[in-house]
Amino acid sequence: EVQLVESGGGLVQPGGSLRLSCAASGFTFSSYGMNWVRQAPGKGLEWISFISGSNSAISRYYADSVKGRFTISRDNAKNSLYLQMSSLRDEDTAVYYCARVPGYDYFEYWGQGILVTVSS
Amino acid sequence: EIVMTQSPATLSVSPGERATLSCRASQSIITNLAWYHQKPGQAPRLLIYGASTRATGVPARFSGSGSWTEFTLTISSLQSEDFAVYYCQQYNSWPLTFGGGTKLDIK
Repeated sequence: EVQLVESGGGLVQPGGSLRLSCAASGFTFSSYGMNWVRQAPGKGLEWISFISGSNSAISRYYADSVKGRFTISRDNAKNSLYLQMSSLRDEDTAVYYCARVPGYDYFEYWGQGILVTVSS
Repeated sequence: EIVMTQSPATLSVSPGERATLSCRASQSIITNLAWYHQKPGQAPRLLIYGASTRATGVPARFSGSGSWTEFTLTISSLQSEDFAVYYCQQYNSWPLTFGGGTKLDIK
């Protein structure tokens, strides 16, 4: 069974940093592209970052809203996905989901989400 | 960026009736479209990909259609567990983008 479990969320001040983790199990993690998608309170879904699987040269993509502030990475030996977030803003407050894609496309599996609150 | 527009924002339907949800892309995405639903406090769940292919385990009452810029999700006979928010998402080009959602309410 595919499982994705996020951790590392919490309360952080504006301008601060936080690192989210996503522990994967139930599949060959290295073979799949992975994403972070977020959802602000009471709002819709926003894709923010993608990292490709290791079957090809690593590709990374970011939404403009986080480019230059967030960095996606993965450790295939630990079956883990990460999101390093810096220069956090109030508008980064959201539930952050990690999600698996079969290629460069739709989100097959989702974690349960982790809340990040940016507030002074 | 491809903008995805869903309509209506809210749809009130009685259990057992048919629901039709629409999604429009600001430019052609061929059939690179997925549908999800999300219940309160839960992660989204994939329903449809490739505009019309049901994901594993999705009941046959869910069907998707459309191509290029106009897409439809139809739920043929609404069950209580279908009342949720529905999102479409394009994966034709980066950045991946979602529609704003349609909330399906019990009438």
